[in-house]
Amino acid sequence: DVVMTQSPLSLPVTLGQPASISCRSSQSLVHSDGNTYLNWFQQRPGQSPRRLIYKVSNRDSGVPDRFSGSGSGTDFTLKISRVEAEDVGVYYCMQGTHWPPLSLTFGGGTKVEIK
Amino acid sequence: QVQLVESGGGLVKPGGSLRLSCAASGFTFSDYYMSWIRQAPGKGLEWVSYISSSSSYTNYADSVKGRFTISRDNAKNSLYLQMNSLRAEDTAVYYCARVGFDYWGQGTLVTVSS
Repeated sequence: DVVMTQSPLSLPVTLGQPASISCRSSQSLVHSDGNTYLNWFQQRPGQSPRRLIYKVSNRDSGVPDRFSGSGSGTDFTLKISRVEAEDVGVYYCMQGTHWPPLSLTFGGGTKVEIK
Repeated sequence: QVQLVESGGGLVKPGGSLRLSCAASGFTFSDYYMSWIRQAPGKGLEWVSYISSSSSYTNYADSVKGRFTISRDNAKNSLYLQMNSLRAEDTAVYYCARVGFDYWGQGTLVTVSS
């Protein structure tokens, strides 16, 4: 299976400051159809995951524009330009390029908290 | 609006069985692949299974293969997960999600303990 490695594990951030989360895959996530199926999810405390970004850099409807995704191949980044209190939670990357037949896989998560 | 509502979780003994349901509304259920994802207490997300729109294709994580069965009833807009031979490590919140993973349910907790 494709291993997704996120860093850091924990990210204390001052309100209004930027934050950046890295996600690396053990194989290239470029699909044979030319797309890269790398998503980012936010899970606030006590809530279900919510998709923020799909196919590397496309923001979902209703997602503030302070969230942005970038990257290619095996290296991807989620950036929050100015962290707000409502951004506290755990962020996960997920690859769907090699699924199926391999498993759909998630990164281990990055916990964003306010300093 | 799209809604996914899971039910059927609870406490079960090791070796026991449980059937989870997910009721879908607000979209044409029969057009979409569906999936189950789980999250052990305090842990990350783990994909469990998926099913194609017409039930022709299913796939499972190695950790549940041979024990869990995914199914759906498009007439009832419902997704199911039959879980047999349950183990302590299956304890988790189980989410159903529309493939694309743009919509998730609120989850149902399954606890496997004697």
